[in-house]
Amino acid sequence: QQQVKQSPQSLIVQKGGISIINCAYENTAFDYFPWYQQFPGKGPALLIAIRPDVSEKKEGRFTISFNKSAKQFSLHIMDSQPGDSATYFCAASSGGYQKVTFGIGTKLQVIP
Amino acid sequence: GAGVSQSPSNKVTEKGKDVELRCDPISGHTALYWYRQSLGQGLEFLIYFQGNSAPDKSGLPSDRFSAERTGGSVSTLTIQRTQQEDSAVYLCASSHERHPNTDTQYFGPGTRLTVL
Repeated sequence: QQQVKQSPQSLIVQKGGISIINCAYENTAFDYFPWYQQFPGKGPALLIAIRPDVSEKKEGRFTISFNKSAKQFSLHIMDSQPGDSATYFCAASSGGYQKVTFGIGTKLQVIP
Repeated sequence: GAGVSQSPSNKVTEKGKDVELRCDPISGHTALYWYRQSLGQGLEFLIYFQGNSAPDKSGLPSDRFSAERTGGSVSTLTIQRTQQEDSAVYLCASSHERHPNTDTQYFGPGTRLTVL
């Protein structure tokens, strides 16, 4: 059973465009939602994270939107650049336990 | 400072052989995690170590998989009698301490295991 559903699995965006990746979760106990970015041959690295007490968090060109009632959250990459081409994972965890459940990943390609 | 390191970076083995994968976490990090990344399957949690507590082994897919963490630092993931379906990238991550969801997990580059 996939507790965090992520879509799309692949995404092609033109340089300067907006990349949008969506995630949905089922476990209402989740209270921390990080996004990780992974470049080929590297391990994932934390990009940005949000808690359900806010509906939006922005860091530079990256924004998380969170809809608690719908149990959905999304990553928006504004002014997408070729250097943003990577695989993005949404994730969720709960309580004091750091076991993190990851989405399946989205391979983003930003074309010039 | 040094990040999480893993060795070997690549491992090719024959079906039925045992393999050992090593993880050196960031110094001072008390929590250590192993994940498996298969093509199209995302990141699959395997095992979690926190300090001197009993490890959470709930993600280990079979009894052929085991892991140890010696002295609260280096960890070894062992896969016995490897099968072709074990082929994947095995990722290790560490984090500083067990605060509720506030501590970033730092990942190593992974070990790519290929079972022929």
